[in-house]
Amino acid sequence: EAGVAQSPRYKIIEKRQSVAFWCNPISGHATLYWYQQILGQGPKLLIQFQNNGVVDDSQLPKDRFSAERLKGVDSTLKIQPAKLEDSAVYLCASSLDRGTGELFFGEGSRLTVL
Amino acid sequence: AQSVSQHNHHVILSEAASLELGCNYSYGGTVNLFWYVQYPGQHLQLLLKYFSGDPLVKGIKGFEAEFIKSKFSFNLRKPSVQWSDTAEYFCAVNGQKYGNKLVFGAGTILRVKS
Repeated sequence: EAGVAQSPRYKIIEKRQSVAFWCNPISGHATLYWYQQILGQGPKLLIQFQNNGVVDDSQLPKDRFSAERLKGVDSTLKIQPAKLEDSAVYLCASSLDRGTGELFFGEGSRLTVL
Repeated sequence: AQSVSQHNHHVILSEAASLELGCNYSYGGTVNLFWYVQYPGQHLQLLLKYFSGDPLVKGIKGFEAEFIKSKFSFNLRKPSVQWSDTAEYFCAVNGQKYGNKLVFGAGTILRVKS
């Protein structure tokens, strides 16, 4: 079974530039999550999709972050404009159903903002 | 206040030593509890989970965790660690009082010396 695919693995940008991350979840998984993991901290949920609808985006900084999951499969997370404090690993995860807590994670996209 | 607390950020053990990693959560009520592990260079993966029933849960690779409701704890244990257990371990909780989100602790980096 193919896992959760993410790209790019690494990205270095300057502050005020924009960046986009892509995620392809495990086939058949209805729920997709984007987490932000800052160095030394645990992953923090940014946004959760159920199929192509947003379930929870309460911790997404909506002035600069946006995410979409068109057609209920792939998802894109965008940051525009980036700030220094956005330097982190952005993790995509998927699960068969929401609420189970059994998430399958991708390898993450490491963002460095200079 | 932190919702999920992991007591140690770094732990160093020699092979064959016993391991116990602490995890406490803040809110009561019905919760689901998890330990996730991230081996060097790999993605986060589920180690074990507790939903209900026997509070002593056994996971992969000889790990186990005990849910003690009165102490709001879910400590991870292994009687004898191996060099290959070197990884970062994350405790996570979900439940109604967490907005049905999976909330992670800050993680514990375990290094096992051979």
